[in-house]
Amino acid sequence: AQSVTQLGSHVSVSEGALVLLRCNYSSSVPPYLFWYVQYPNQGLQLLLKYTSAATLVKGINGFEAEFKKSETSFHLTKPSAHMSDAAEYFCAVSVGTGRRALTFGSGTRLQVQP
Amino acid sequence: GAGVSQTPSNKVTEKGKYVELRCDPISGHTALYWYRQSLGQGPEFLIYFQGTGAADDSGLPNDRFFAVRPEGSVSTLKIQRTERGDSAMYLCASSLKGQGNTEAFFGQGTRLTVV
Repeated sequence: AQSVTQLGSHVSVSEGALVLLRCNYSSSVPPYLFWYVQYPNQGLQLLLKYTSAATLVKGINGFEAEFKKSETSFHLTKPSAHMSDAAEYFCAVSVGTGRRALTFGSGTRLQVQP
Repeated sequence: GAGVSQTPSNKVTEKGKYVELRCDPISGHTALYWYRQSLGQGPEFLIYFQGTGAADDSGLPNDRFFAVRPEGSVSTLKIQRTERGDSAMYLCASSLKGQGNTEAFFGQGTRLTVV
């Protein structure tokens, strides 16, 4: 079975600072990994996904994530935070066979201070 | 439609009552998923449909929960004899093929409150 751990339920950064949201996964088979963002009163929106092609994945809104198999990590980064980045971020994993639904982490709430 | 639509957006019901939550997926998407999200937690898988059939219902917590998708499009999540612990946001998602590497598009959810 697969699982996801997101370190830090709340992260606060200053506007313009680096954003780093941590995600570690556990999977017995090569995983597919996703980052979703949830703005208040909105549905989950896909930021980016890793599907075994390039290990450095670029997504929307300037976010990117790097798949590191040796560290079983898929951390999300953005060089310069914007006020509009304030939201809840979820890391998720799925595997190619068997259940095709996503297994989500518990989420990280990002606050951006002016 | 343009996106995944869920109705109602909010539902308040009394303990012991029956509720139905509706999901209208993106047109042409064969895969449909239901998740439940409790406050401060990530979404938890409930059930996955491929077409009309439930391909995986291993996430349903007990036999009070049931879901259908009779024509392979709209799905209804049904909860019998609701309990206060069922209070949560219920999310529906659809994807084109239901493969593990394809994007799932989420609706805005139905917030269920059992009083």
